[in-house]
Amino acid sequence: QKEVEQNSGPLSVPEGAIASLNCTYSDRGSQSFFWYRQYSGKSPELIMFIYSNGDKEDGRFTAQLNKASQYVSLLIRDSQPSDSATYLCAVDSNYQLIWGAGTKLIIKP
Amino acid sequence: EPEVTQTPSHQVTQMGQEVILRCVPISNHLYFYWYRQILGQKVEFLVSFYNNEISEKSEIFDDQFSVERPDGSNFTLKIRSTKLEDSAMYFCASTPRLYGYTFGSGTRLTVV
Repeated sequence: QKEVEQNSGPLSVPEGAIASLNCTYSDRGSQSFFWYRQYSGKSPELIMFIYSNGDKEDGRFTAQLNKASQYVSLLIRDSQPSDSATYLCAVDSNYQLIWGAGTKLIIKP
Repeated sequence: EPEVTQTPSHQVTQMGQEVILRCVPISNHLYFYWYRQILGQKVEFLVSFYNNEISEKSEIFDDQFSVERPDGSNFTLKIRSTKLEDSAMYFCASTPRLYGYTFGSGTRLTVV
């Protein structure tokens, strides 16, 4: 059974600080990794994707991938209250996405 | 920005009834998907659709479920004889290539 694991949280971070979200996956064959943000009752919204080992930056967001450790993370710099949401990690496996349960992030003003 | 449109936003149905969930993918996208999310649980893959046929389906996608692209624009998910456990948010997604999904806003299905 292919799995994607995330700490469910909640993760509470002060406004302006760095939020660090982590994800591990079981399928060594996975090549593509995605971070989605989901507000309560809404559909997932793609934040970032990463294919290669290392870091990928987009504005305040940085995705980090370590395929050897089967680990992917998302850093959010200068956290804002509007970043409060559930962050879903998704990993490709046989042309479908396997999803983590999500980490609930709370940014405290 | 182009959107994936889903209707209805909320559907309430009696157990045993058939429901059809509708999606209009982005027009130049080639791959179409249905996912579902039971309240408080993970998003789960149901089915992918490419070139007018199912390309992958999960264990959840049994004979109770079917998908169609009846007119080249709409993409529908039919659930025959709904069960209580089918209550969930159903998300349609499309992409011009593998991955890079755009999700619709979802249909909340409530089976009573």
